[in-house]
Amino acid sequence: DVKVTQSSRYLVKRTGEKVFLECVQDMDHENMFWYRQDPGLGLRLIYFSYDVKMKEKGDIPEGYSVSREKKERFSLILESASTNQTSMYLCASSLRFELGWSTDTQYFGPGTRLTVL
Amino acid sequence: GDSVTQMEGPVTLSEEAFLTINCTYTATGYPSLFWYVQYPGEGLQLLLKATKADDKGSNKGFEATYRKETTSFHLEKGSVQVSDSAVYFCALSDRPQAAGNKLTFGGGTRVLVKP
Repeated sequence: DVKVTQSSRYLVKRTGEKVFLECVQDMDHENMFWYRQDPGLGLRLIYFSYDVKMKEKGDIPEGYSVSREKKERFSLILESASTNQTSMYLCASSLRFELGWSTDTQYFGPGTRLTVL
Repeated sequence: GDSVTQMEGPVTLSEEAFLTINCTYTATGYPSLFWYVQYPGEGLQLLLKATKADDKGSNKGFEATYRKETTSFHLEKGSVQVSDSAVYFCALSDRPQAAGNKLTFGGGTRVLVKP
């Protein structure tokens, strides 16, 4: 089974702090994603990566950055946390085949609930 | 751009009742459609999917049929159990053959099944 793990289930930070959220997958997937989940808004894509050191902006990248130095690990960085970044953050991964196309099923981690005070 | 609209919850049902969650979509291409489920305290997991018109996805007693003419993918279950209490998300993927294909999600519908 695919396993996607996230470094923390709950995190409390102060406004202005730099925050790192870590995600690791163990199935050698090329694609990795970061979403935030807010009530009534569903999941919104922040960033995704389809290869090591590659990244693309999603729908709401402002205030976030990402890092993908190794295939299995995708980090989300809040450079200066703000209260409006209080949310549930979900990481996901999916497989991309050699010819370039991807499976459309994504596998999710358990989420990190971040509170910024 | 792509969008997914699903009925707002919460939906409260008694055990063994019939469940329907409506989902409609807007997409420029020929998307794949999904239902994901999130149980309390957990991440999302794929419940079922359909990749072309008139396909029916099914799993754990849930079903959904890809209706291109009405751009809908409604989720149904004939007899719910308390263990079906969760948040259900409808989603689409409009570029299944692209690198790093993305999902567009609906707002989620919370379902509570009472004994």
